[in-house]
Amino acid sequence: QKEVEQNSGPLSVPEGAIASLNCTYSDRGSQSFFWYRQYSGKSPELIMFIYSNGDKEDGRFTAQLNKASQYVSLLIRDSQPSDSATYLCAATTGGFKTIFGAGTRLFVKA
Amino acid sequence: GAGVSQSPSNKVTEKGKDVELRCDPISGHTALYWYRQSLGQGLEFLIYFQGNSAPDKSGLPSDRFSAERTGGSVSTLTIQRTQQEDSAVYLCASSVDRGLGNIQYFGAGTRLSVL
Repeated sequence: QKEVEQNSGPLSVPEGAIASLNCTYSDRGSQSFFWYRQYSGKSPELIMFIYSNGDKEDGRFTAQLNKASQYVSLLIRDSQPSDSATYLCAATTGGFKTIFGAGTRLFVKA
Repeated sequence: GAGVSQSPSNKVTEKGKDVELRCDPISGHTALYWYRQSLGQGLEFLIYFQGNSAPDKSGLPSDRFSAERTGGSVSTLTIQRTQQEDSAVYLCASSVDRGLGNIQYFGAGTRLSVL
């Protein structure tokens, strides 16, 4: 069973702090990894994707990938109340099939 | 179209009835996906279509579920003899083949309630 695991949270951080979201995957054949944000009652929308070991930065967001440890993370710097949402980690293996984690709920307190 | 369009947005049905859910992907997107999301849960992969290749149906939970994609565009997900456990939001997404970076764009979903 190919799985993507996330801590369901909720993760609560104060405004302006760094939020760290983590994800592990079981299939070593996974090639691409995605972070989607989902507001309550809305559809997921892409935050970042990564497929090379190391860090990838985009504005306040940094994705980190460690294929040896089968670990993906998302850092959100200067967290804002508007960042409060569920963050879904996803892994794609050999093409298009995508497995999503259950998501981590993030609360940013003003 | 501007985005992925799904219809209906809400569907209430009685146990045992058949339902059809429709997805109209972004024009030019070759891949189309169906997911199911139960309340407070993540996305459960159901099926995906890519170009003219045979669809990957490995996520369909039972033979009551089927999907087709006509003309490489619109897709219909059919659930026969619906059960209460089928109640969920059904999400459709589409993407362009960009190798390792296939970003999926989601529709607003169809909320299915089986009474």
